[in-house]
Amino acid sequence: GAVVSQHPSWVICKSGTSVKIECRSLDFQATTMFWYRQFPKQSLMLMATSNEGSKATYEQGVEKDKFLINHASLTLSTLTVTSAHPEDSSFYICSARDPAGKYNEQFFGPGTRLTVL
Amino acid sequence: EDKVVQSPLSLVVHEGDTVTLNCSYEVTNFRSLLWYKQEKKAPTFLFMLTSSGIEKKSGRLSSILDKKELFSILNITATQTGDSAIYLCAVEAGTDKLIFGTGTRLQVFP
Repeated sequence: GAVVSQHPSWVICKSGTSVKIECRSLDFQATTMFWYRQFPKQSLMLMATSNEGSKATYEQGVEKDKFLINHASLTLSTLTVTSAHPEDSSFYICSARDPAGKYNEQFFGPGTRLTVL
Repeated sequence: EDKVVQSPLSLVVHEGDTVTLNCSYEVTNFRSLLWYKQEKKAPTFLFMLTSSGIEKKSGRLSSILDKKELFSILNITATQTGDSAIYLCAVEAGTDKLIFGTGTRLQVFP
C-alpha cells in the first residue's frame, strides 16, 4: 500500500517554542492531506485539511494562528505548532489519500509524539 | 452534529474467543465506513464498507454494514494475542473528512 512518513517521530520542546512536523507521501502524490490530534486513550480528532497550493481548512475550535499548515508540494505538508504550551502535548498524525489506491482510502503516517515542558 | 459511537469501549478476552465490535453513526452525506487497527502508532486500514449487507472478510476478521440501522460490526474469530489493539471505526461524510469513533480497546490474553 501507499506509504506516508512523518518527521520527527517524537519531539520534546520548551514552552513558548515552535515545532514543525513534516508529513510526506513517499510513493504517490497527494493533493489533500489531513492532520489529526490524538490525546491519550482518546480517538483521532481532525484538526485541518491541508490542500496543495491553497490555504488549509481548519475544523471548528482549532486555532489557525497556532497550528500553521503549509502544503507546498504534492508530497509534503507541514504542521507548525507555534508558541507551544504543555496542553499542546499530544500525538499528531497526518494522513493522505492515494487517488490510485484500490479503495481510495486514507493512509496514515506513523505519528509524531509532541511533549511540551 | 455528525457522530460515530463505538462499543464496547474496552474488551478483555482469552485467545481463541470470538469478539464483535460495534459502531453506530449519525452523519449527513454518508459515503463510507472504515475500520482501522491501531497498535502503538498510526492506524492501519482494515476495511472500507459502502453497501449494506455485503460482508468483507480478511482472514479471521470480517465486517458488515447496515445503512438502514446505521451501524457496522467487526468480528474477529479465534482471537490471538497479536489482535490486541485499539480498533477504530470512522465514517467518511460529505467531503474527504473522516469522523472517528472513540475506539474499542481489545486485549487478548493467552
